[in-house]
Amino acid sequence: TQLLEQSPQFLSIQEGENLTVYCNSSSVFSSLQWYRQEPGEGPVLLVTVVTGGEVKKLKRLTFQFGDARKDSSLHITAAQPGDTGLYLCAGPFGGTYKYIFGTGTRLKVLA
Amino acid sequence: DVKVTQSSRYLVKRTGEKVFLECVQDMDHENMFWYRQDPGLGLRLIYFSYDVKMKEKGDIPEGYSVSREKKERFSLILESASTNQTSMYLCASSLGRGFNQPQHFGDGTRLSIL
Repeated sequence: TQLLEQSPQFLSIQEGENLTVYCNSSSVFSSLQWYRQEPGEGPVLLVTVVTGGEVKKLKRLTFQFGDARKDSSLHITAAQPGDTGLYLCAGPFGGTYKYIFGTGTRLKVLA
Repeated sequence: DVKVTQSSRYLVKRTGEKVFLECVQDMDHENMFWYRQDPGLGLRLIYFSYDVKMKEKGDIPEGYSVSREKKERFSLILESASTNQTSMYLCASSLGRGFNQPQHFGDGTRLSIL
């Protein structure tokens, strides 16, 4: 059972386009994190959202935590080739320091 | 910057061998994790450790063991390697206290079992 479902799995777009990726769960999370993983490297944290309804911006990336804290979205405005990578959401699970990761969205931005 | 170093980027071993994957972090982090990453399955937690000599099973511990004798080092051991353990293995560390601490990852070890 996958607690965190991400969609779409794959996305290939042209430079300059906008896109949204989603991270959904039937469970409530106290927080969700978003990571980006580039080829040949480990994931790197982009942001943590903690409060239901919270919106955080990181340059052209906008992250939102759902009001019920069961879902999150990542919107990229005017995508650039440097945004290419695997985007992962993750949340704490089980009252410990364990984190559950989503299956990921693989984004390719074409120049 | 936090540095998490995995001993090998690529490793090829044979079925039945005992395999050691090493991970070292340089920021005095209390928590350390081992994940495997497979296409379509995301990152799955194998084991984690929240203190020296302390360990807890993750979601897929079967066929693996871990060792944490020093705070900075967390080793993953494949007791008797099998072909279904061919995967990308990622080590991570986090500061400790609190559930919103970011995890810092190494660059991974791509392990092939022949």
